[in-house]
Amino acid sequence: KQEVTQIPAALSVPEGENLVLNCSFTDSAIYNLQWFRQDPGKGLTSLLLIQSSQREQTSGRLNASLDKSSGRSTLYIAASQPGDSATYLCAVMDSNYQLIWGAGTKLIIKP
Amino acid sequence: DAGVIQSPRHEVTEMGQEVTLRCKPISGHDYLFWYRQTMMRGLELLIYFNNNVPIDDSGMPEDRFSAKMPNASFSTLKIQPSEPRDSAVYFCASSSGVPVGNIQYFGAGTRLSVL
Repeated sequence: KQEVTQIPAALSVPEGENLVLNCSFTDSAIYNLQWFRQDPGKGLTSLLLIQSSQREQTSGRLNASLDKSSGRSTLYIAASQPGDSATYLCAVMDSNYQLIWGAGTKLIIKP
Repeated sequence: DAGVIQSPRHEVTEMGQEVTLRCKPISGHDYLFWYRQTMMRGLELLIYFNNNVPIDDSGMPEDRFSAKMPNASFSTLKIQPSEPRDSAVYFCASSSGVPVGNIQYFGAGTRLSVL
């Protein structure tokens, strides 16, 4: 059974710092890995989608990597801003086309 | 497009009552997903539809839960009878094309409290 783990559960850093969020999964048989952002009281917003054949994806200050063989992904946020404060969720798409979700990392960027 | 629209945003009901959650997907999207989010279990897929047809309902917790998609622009998730352990945030999401290469767009969710 696929399990997705995100470390750390919470992270607080000063504005301007670069940071890395981690995601690990137990079964390498995935179609893709996705990073989402969730703001309080709101839905989820897709940030990056990495296909299983890809190694990384970039969008603005965000860069996500995927190492399928080791079951790991990282989300790198450059030059963090207070507006980046949110919960970041990682999800993998399994062989049944279902997204299996991590518990999320709550990120706080201090001004 | 206004995005995925869910209603109501908040629902408070008493145990044993019927609850109906509604979702309007993004126009043109052919996949619709219902998720539940709790502190204990995180996000879980309940059911998803393709072209209005239920494809996988293995995540539906019990027979008390049912979902329908009578047309391409509307879906409901019904709980009858509701129980306190059903309290959660329920999300609807939609996407265009096969799930493998296409992102899902989420609604703002319905926060359900069963007393």
